[in-house]
Amino acid sequence: DTGVSQDPRHKITKRGQNVTFRCDPISEHNRLYWYRQTLGQGPEFLTYFQNEAQLEKSRLLSDRFSAERPKGSFSTLEIQRTEQGDSAMYLCASSLGPTSGGLYEQYFGPGTRLTVT
Amino acid sequence: AQTVTQSQPEMSVQEAETVTLSCTYDTSENNYYLFWYKQPPSRQMILVIRQEAYKQQNATENRFSVNFQKAAKSFSLKISDSQLGDTAMYFCAFMTAVPGGNQFYFGTGTSLTVIP
Repeated sequence: DTGVSQDPRHKITKRGQNVTFRCDPISEHNRLYWYRQTLGQGPEFLTYFQNEAQLEKSRLLSDRFSAERPKGSFSTLEIQRTEQGDSAMYLCASSLGPTSGGLYEQYFGPGTRLTVT
Repeated sequence: AQTVTQSQPEMSVQEAETVTLSCTYDTSENNYYLFWYKQPPSRQMILVIRQEAYKQQNATENRFSVNFQKAAKSFSLKISDSQLGDTAMYFCAFMTAVPGGNQFYFGTGTSLTVIP
């Protein structure tokens, strides 16, 4: 499989529970991005990694959100104490960075749809 | 701050006809990249076309082409010979090329319906 994969595809959780999502990027891509997309909106940037380093975080990302990419390969996004406002599609994308001669375009995964009840 | 505006929430076009989707952006940067992404219903987002700001020539990919007007900060997408498979949400995206600042900014999207 040469694309970006995300797991799970759907997650229903009760308010207050913790959830964790996983993203596996395209293997040679050193950059990995997380976005949140709500109905009728474009993706909103959350954070990105270059290899294992988290280089930027959006101000949208509250303290309840944390992301990791421990070995520079797959990444996890954890949401603690979920709230109903966290219900959204969480998208992962990967790309080559400029030092890799990359062309910057991002390749997106299918997303994880989170519903908080 | 960087912003991307898509002023057409919904559009429709007859099959085989041509349609143009508009996008404007705001930035103080001089070096950046522009993209159009397509998101079919219940399917993942895929890249349609990209444009480097330093290139004056408009990008073209088969039936898809852009009209890039740097001074006006405008980046419209033209779809020729529209096909039913072109029905999707289309997002315009902008990315600066400053070190450490390579995050994407997306517009709110245009929902395009191709009518048979």
